[in-house]
Order: sequence, then structure tokens, then C-alpha cells
Amino acid sequence: NAGVTQTPKFRVLKTGQSMTLLCAQDMNHEYMYWYRQDPGMGLRLIHYSVGEGTTAKGEVPDGYNVSRLKKQNFLLGLESAAPSQTSVYFCASTGQGAETQYFGPGTRLLVL
Amino acid sequence: GESVGLHLPTLSVQEGDNSIINCAYSNSASDYFIWYKQESGKGPQFIIDIRSNMDKRQGQRVTVLLNKTVKHLSLQIAATQPGDSAVYFCACSWGGSYIPTFGRGTSLIVHP
Repeated sequence: NAGVTQTPKFRVLKTGQSMTLLCAQDMNHEYMYWYRQDPGMGLRLIHYSVGEGTTAKGEVPDGYNVSRLKKQNFLLGLESAAPSQTSVYFCASTGQGAETQYFGPGTRLLVL
Repeated sequence: GESVGLHLPTLSVQEGDNSIINCAYSNSASDYFIWYKQESGKGPQFIIDIRSNMDKRQGQRVTVLLNKTVKHLSLQIAATQPGDSAVYFCACSWGGSYIPTFGRGTSLIVHP
């Protein structure tokens, strides 16, 4: 049982480049989330999903898109990366009827 | 909107001492509270939770206290060990929303 995994662990992008971050969970959880974590800012919700095929905006959705084509996967896309998107990105999941989130190990993104 | 804050950004203690990390929340409708521990380079991990129908809950070496009157939450760690050094986040949610609000984190430093 791997829990929540994230790919890649680290990435460097140039401004304007695009990329997709992959989150996978093997706990059959309904809810999945993408957060970004910046120094002194705690965790801020980017987008979330309450089930396969559904997505919703969180607190800071601008510049990001997401997709949940399969229940176990939640993809975060950056269409045109900006230096302000330099951050650590965490994926999390929660099961139906539960409220505790399980987090992945994070993806460190540097946009030059 | 909800705001969740921590009283101190950094807490330094000696090994063996008891640690107390505090958290304040603003939404009186909050009914579920969680403490997470985040070690350097890792994702947050669940420590302990408490619902609003309780004012105290104990785990292994950790206790969470909830004071709904003043909207205050605390995490007590007994006999703090170097392995407890990490950033601690409180989070709260309400009405089974599955969208918690996170505080900014307190860095606990344990000196041997």
C-alpha cells in the first residue's frame, strides 16, 4: 500500500513552459486535493475533486488546471509556468466519510 | 471566511520538556480539528484529531485540547524528543465539508 505518490519529485522549468504533476492514491479515496506550500504561507488549496470526473476551484486556482479522469489519479497542469508558481506542491486524498487527509511527499517546482 | 492562526512561528524546547503549540480559529461553526506534523522535506502527517463535542483527546504522548468558548486549540507533546522537531499545522473544517483550512504552522525545535 503506497498511499499517495507524486511524480516528479523535483522539476525546473523556464517561464512559459508547461508541465503536468501527477498524483496517485491506492486507498480508493473519493476526495483528492492539490495544495501549494510557500514559506510562511502554510498550505493553500489550488483545486480539489470530490470524485472521478469532477473538479472544483480552491483558494488559488489561477494559472492551474486539473483533471480527474480516473478515481486514483489527480493531475495538476501548468499551461504557461511563471516564476510566481515556484513552490512545493502537495497532493492529498480523503476517503468518503472521513476527514483526515493523507498527503504525498511533495513536488518541488522551480520556475526560472 | 475562515482564518486559522498559530500564536508562535517557532518554539524551542529542551529534550524531555513538555511542548505546547497553540492555534486559534475564527469560525464558530468549525466542528472538526486536526493536527498535522510535517518533517523537513516530507508531506504533512496526521497526528491527532478532535471533534467539537469533545474538549480533550489523548494519543501516544500527545494531547489536543479544544476550548470552543475562545475558539482555541492546543497540541501538547509530553517528554519532547529530537524526533519531534518539525512544523506542526492545525486545520479545521465544518459541516463535513472535506475542505479544511490550515494554519500557517509552528516550527518546533527540540534541543538535545
